[in-house]
Amino acid sequence: QVQLQESGPGLVKPSGTLSLTCDVSGASISSDYWWSWVRQPPGKGLEWIGETHHSGTTNYHPSLRSRVTMSFDKSKNQFSLRLTSVTAADTAVYFCARGSDYRWHDWGQGALVTVSS
Amino acid sequence: QSALTQPASVSGSPGQSITISCTGTSSDVGGYNHVSWHQHHPGKAPKLMIYEVIDRPSGVPDRFFGSKSGNTASLTISGLQAEDEAVYFCSSYTSSATYVFGTGTKVTVV
Repeated sequence: QVQLQESGPGLVKPSGTLSLTCDVSGASISSDYWWSWVRQPPGKGLEWIGETHHSGTTNYHPSLRSRVTMSFDKSKNQFSLRLTSVTAADTAVYFCARGSDYRWHDWGQGALVTVSS
Repeated sequence: QSALTQPASVSGSPGQSITISCTGTSSDVGGYNHVSWHQHHPGKAPKLMIYEVIDRPSGVPDRFFGSKSGNTASLTISGLQAEDEAVYFCSSYTSSATYVFGTGTKVTVV
C-alpha cells in the first residue's frame, strides 16, 4: 500500500517561500510515476500545480511556472514543492499525489499552508 | 483554464441512484477520455474511483459508474450507501498539457 504524507511550515509570511515535502512509503520515487502537487484554497476547488518525474522532467501549471520548483530527495524517498513570492492567494491545503497514465493513484491527506504576516 | 462545473450538492436515500455531472469544454472533457473521479472525505486522502471516463480501479464497487457525452462527464452511484457520503470531484487532462478539476459535489445520504 502506497502512502504519502505532506509536511512543512503551516504559516508563511507574504513574499516568502512556501516549502513542502511529501514523504512516500510503499513505492520508490525513482519508479516510473509522476509525482504531483495539487492545492485547494479555502472554499474553492482544486488546482493542479504541477508534476515531476525522477528522470528530471517537470510540468508546471503556466500560471505558477515562474514561482514553482519541484525536486526529489531520493535518499529519503521524498519529493518537494517550493513556491516563491507567496501572497494570501497561495493560502490553501496542499496535496501530494502519485500518478501515471493521466490519473492519480494515491494522495496524501493534505497540509494547510496559510500565508499571513 | 476554468474549473469544470459540478453541482454543489446532490442527495439521495439509501438504495437510490444519483448522478453527478462534470461539465467542461472541448479543450478538456470533450477532447480527451482522460477524465477521473475521486471521492474525498475531508481530512483524509482523496480516493480514485473512476479513470479514463469509465474504468474502475480494483476494489471500487461496480455501484460506481462513469460515462461521458460531449463536454460533460458523469458519475452515477447506484444502491447509495451511507459510506458514500463524501465530496466527489472530477478531473480532466487539457489541451494545454495541464489538468483541471471540477468544483466538487457534496453527496449527502438522507
